[in-house]
Amino acid sequence: GAVVSQHPSRVICKSGTSVKIECRSLDFQATTMFWYRQFPKKSLMLMATSNEGSKATYEQGVEKDKFLINHASLTLSTLTVTSAHPEDSSFYICSARDPRANYGYTFGSGTRLTVV
Amino acid sequence: AQSVTQPDIHITVSEGASLELRCNYSYGATPYLFWYVQSPGQGLQLLLKYFSGDTLVQGIKGFEAEFKRSQSSFNLRKPSVHWSDAAEYFCAVGPSNFGNEKLTFGTGTRLTIIP
Repeated sequence: GAVVSQHPSRVICKSGTSVKIECRSLDFQATTMFWYRQFPKKSLMLMATSNEGSKATYEQGVEKDKFLINHASLTLSTLTVTSAHPEDSSFYICSARDPRANYGYTFGSGTRLTVV
Repeated sequence: AQSVTQPDIHITVSEGASLELRCNYSYGATPYLFWYVQSPGQGLQLLLKYFSGDTLVQGIKGFEAEFKRSQSSFNLRKPSVHWSDAAEYFCAVGPSNFGNEKLTFGTGTRLTIIP
């Protein structure tokens, strides 16, 4: 089946620094990837939709200059949290759409970001 | 706007007992419906999905869900739970026009299994 690898699984960074999270589709080409943020005991909030070769589409209220998304190839999308602050600490999950199946989403295993 | 409600934040069930997790949705047209499971610190795994046809859908790990249009519900069931079923469960809804496949998730139900 379709596999999505998300790296790193955990990262701790200092306030003011930037951190990059990678999302790779291992055995299919994902023209579309999604980035979610999950708060403790809360649902998944869609942050942005990433399309290969074009600019990401951000959801209302998500700062595109803080959360930079790059979808440079059909198998890789990255989320960079710039000038991180403690309130950016969260669980970030990516999802890649397998075009071979309708609603063929596969989720990564998530990244726990802690900003200290 | 579409929305999903999971009324139960936390459910505790004895191992071997039956399970039903509730999900209600609000959507202007026929939605596509999903149930996902999330183990601690992990991503989401698809349990089952409903697009059309038979309203009783079978999924992985012995789960099933029934679509009831009149009640706007898509409840998840399992006849006998196992300790490994302890996890967070999310119901989700999406539009039925492929190409605009954004999912809206409910707030989740945490399932605890007691021996």
